[in-house]
Amino acid sequence: QKEVEQNSGPLSVPEGAIASLNCTYSDRGSQSFFWYRQYSGKSPELIMSIYSNGDKEDGRFTAQLNKASQYVSLLIRDSQPSDSATYLCAVNTIGSSNTGKLIFGQGTTLQVKP
Amino acid sequence: EAQVTQNPRYLITVTGKKLTVTCSQNMNHEYMSWYRQDPGLGLRQIYYSMNVEVTDKGDVPEGYKVSRKEKRNFPLILESPSPNQTSLYFCASSSRDRGPYTFGSGTRLTVV
Repeated sequence: QKEVEQNSGPLSVPEGAIASLNCTYSDRGSQSFFWYRQYSGKSPELIMSIYSNGDKEDGRFTAQLNKASQYVSLLIRDSQPSDSATYLCAVNTIGSSNTGKLIFGQGTTLQVKP
Repeated sequence: EAQVTQNPRYLITVTGKKLTVTCSQNMNHEYMSWYRQDPGLGLRQIYYSMNVEVTDKGDVPEGYKVSRKEKRNFPLILESPSPNQTSLYFCASSSRDRGPYTFGSGTRLTVV
């Protein structure tokens, strides 16, 4: 079973702190990795994509990928109350028809306290 | 504006009454997918499509049908809905099979 695993949380951090969200995946052939943010009752919104080992920074967000350890993480610097949401890790894998499909983790709920 | 449009946003129906949830994208994407989201289970893929007339089952296809007669449209059909299909449904599309996907606003379905 190809899986993507996240700690469901909630992860609680004070305003201004760094929030660290983690994700592991089981399919070594995965090539694409994404972080989505989802507010309650809303649709997932893409915030980061990463395709190669290392770090990728975009504003207050940094995605980190380690394919050898099958681990991807998201760091949010200077966390704001508006960052309070569920963060979904998504990993591309190969489906039964040999085309890509996206597998989601269950999500980590982040609470940023003022 | 580039978007994925789902309709309806909310739907309450009775067991066994056939329904269709529509999905349309204006980005000329080849890849489209349907997901359902349930508490504690996350987003699970129902069906996906790689192009017109090309579809494949996802992880939870039972009780659902799809069709892809036009590139922009990917309707989800529930021939005989049951209460266990009560869920939040998302349609998504992408220009590549590696993603990323752009999601629609969601359809909250309740089957009584």
